[in-house]
Amino acid sequence: DIQMTQSPSSLSASVGDRVTITCQASQDISKYLNWYQQKPGKAPKLLIYDASNLETGVPSRFSGSGSGTDFTFTISSLQPEDIATYYCQQYDNLPPWTFGQGTTVEIK
Amino acid sequence: EVQLVESGGGLVKPGGSLRLSCAASGFTFSGYGMNWVRQAPGKGLEWVSFINSGGNYIFYADSVKGRFTISRDNAKNSLHLQMNSLRVEDTAVYYCARLSGDSWGPGTLVTVSS
Repeated sequence: DIQMTQSPSSLSASVGDRVTITCQASQDISKYLNWYQQKPGKAPKLLIYDASNLETGVPSRFSGSGSGTDFTFTISSLQPEDIATYYCQQYDNLPPWTFGQGTTVEIK
Repeated sequence: EVQLVESGGGLVKPGGSLRLSCAASGFTFSGYGMNWVRQAPGKGLEWVSFINSGGNYIFYADSVKGRFTISRDNAKNSLHLQMNSLRVEDTAVYYCARLSGDSWGPGTLVTVSS
């Protein structure tokens, strides 16, 4: 199975800061990576698909990049409503889907 | 509007069984592969099972293989997960989700405890 290593596990940043999360796959997954946002008590919400494509309706401050094994998720200007846990997930090799461990984003 | 709604969760003793359902609406259910994903309390996301649109390709996580059975009824726009021989470590919120990941239900809580 493909392993996804996500870092950091948590971060604290100020409103307006640029926030970056990384995800590394244990083997080449091309562009087949999703990024999700999950708020407490809620289902995950898809933000980015195919590594860099913004899901419809998602604010443009969210972005993704990368291919192969190394991927980056960025919030260009952190907002209070962005407080959540973020997950990467690969879908190149099915089954299974595999998820990163998650990154909890807090406001400093 | 795409909607997925899970049901069937609850409290069950170790060794017991539950059947989860996921009602789909707002899209052509028969055209989509579907997944079950779970999340133990305070933990990350874990893929559980996949079924393709026609119901003839099915996969399970090693942690549930032989105990869980996924199925679907395209005529009734519904997805199911039969869970047998439940263990304490199966305690989680169970989500149904479209294969693309763009739509998830709100989840249903399964608690396995004596």
